[in-house]
Amino acid sequence: NAGVMQNPRHLVRRRGQEARLRCSPMKGHSHVYWYRQLPEEGLKFMVYLQKENIIDESGMPKERFSAEFPKEGPSILRIQQVVRGDSAAYFCASSPLAGGYQETQYFGPGTRLLVL
Amino acid sequence: AQSVTQLDSHVSVSEGTPVLLRCNYSSSYSPSLFWYVQHPNKGLQLLLKYTSAATLVKGINGFEAEFKKSETSFHLTKPSAHMSDAAEYFCVVSDPGNDMRFGAGTRLTVKP
Repeated sequence: NAGVMQNPRHLVRRRGQEARLRCSPMKGHSHVYWYRQLPEEGLKFMVYLQKENIIDESGMPKERFSAEFPKEGPSILRIQQVVRGDSAAYFCASSPLAGGYQETQYFGPGTRLLVL
Repeated sequence: AQSVTQLDSHVSVSEGTPVLLRCNYSSSYSPSLFWYVQHPNKGLQLLLKYTSAATLVKGINGFEAEFKKSETSFHLTKPSAHMSDAAEYFCVVSDPGNDMRFGAGTRLTVKP
């Protein structure tokens, strides 16, 4: 059973470009969470999704950031018009049950975004 | 609202000696508490989880943590450090219905 997969592992963008980060949850998992980790900091929650549904986006910046988890395919975190402050590691996690945040989350290896 | 404080940003131990990584939490409810480990350039791996069952929780790789409600603590321990334990460790708290809150992390260094 493959773990949570994220791609790309590393992404370099120039200011103003778009970044698309993909996350495939573990097989059988229908809940996906996105986190951002800035250098020397812990992870900060961004958004919690189920298939075709955003459950909690209280941690998402109000502008330029969006997330989706379509019926088919991976979850996508999109950052439009990136700025240098978006440089961070973005982690995706998935969980299998409907228990929400208190269920164990399984993390992917992360995507490291560098904005030049 | 829940929050978590990891009291040490960096801990250094010698191989074979005990490890203690300290974590205090704030929660209005009966929280779930987790410890995750992150090796360089890797994702996070769950070490152990507390969910109101036994207060002493045993995890993988010889780690354990004790939930102490009176002290609002959830310290992580290991009797004997191994070189492969060198990593970043995160304490996490989650109240029912709320997202997971991560501590700032403790970097563990293990000296030969």
